[in-house]
Amino acid sequence: KAGVTQTPRYLIKTRGQQVTLSCSPISGHRSVSWYQQTPGQGLQFLFEYFSETQRNKGNFPGRFSGRQFSNSRSEMNVSTLELGDSALYLCASSPGGGPSYEQYFGPGTRLTVT
Amino acid sequence: DQQVKQNSPSLSVQEGRISILNCDYTNSMFDYFLWYKKYPAEGPTFLISISSIKDKNEDGRFTVFLNKSAKHLSLHIVPSQPGDSAVYFCAASAEGGGADGLTFGKGTHLIIQP
Repeated sequence: KAGVTQTPRYLIKTRGQQVTLSCSPISGHRSVSWYQQTPGQGLQFLFEYFSETQRNKGNFPGRFSGRQFSNSRSEMNVSTLELGDSALYLCASSPGGGPSYEQYFGPGTRLTVT
Repeated sequence: DQQVKQNSPSLSVQEGRISILNCDYTNSMFDYFLWYKKYPAEGPTFLISISSIKDKNEDGRFTVFLNKSAKHLSLHIVPSQPGDSAVYFCAASAEGGGADGLTFGKGTHLIIQP
């Protein structure tokens, strides 16, 4: 099976702009989670989608949002970008249907906000 | 407040010896623990996991030990190989995935020296 894919891999945006990141899960996986990785905070959970519904949400401001499509592909949107949003954004998928313990990660999207 | 702590940012071990990576947690609701391995420019890769009903789980060269009373787990790699050089993340989850998804530590950079 193909792994989790994320596009784009690298992105440079200006403060105040908005950005959309895309994630395609492993075929058959219905749960998609998003994480932010920064050197200071490590990996932090953003949210999880299952069957097009947000099932869990981390402690991030409302500028961070997401959605999932019927084919399980997911997008994450960040509006009004701030310098502190510069990070590696990781998407992970799992079969879902129950606790999403063993998640399979994509390579990430490196977002730089200038 | 960091619920999962990896107090050693880096660890250097000679090839062939045992590598021991440690992780402490504070949330008593965590009942499932995972270790992930991450190479540069790649997403984390699932390595091994353990449920709170066990105190040990073994998979080849990798063994995870859980001490619930101490809220401590460790990953043993025996023997250590050059390809084991990577950043290792400890992660924890509460039953049902919890509202926080997976909670990660900040990682330990393992360096295997020839």
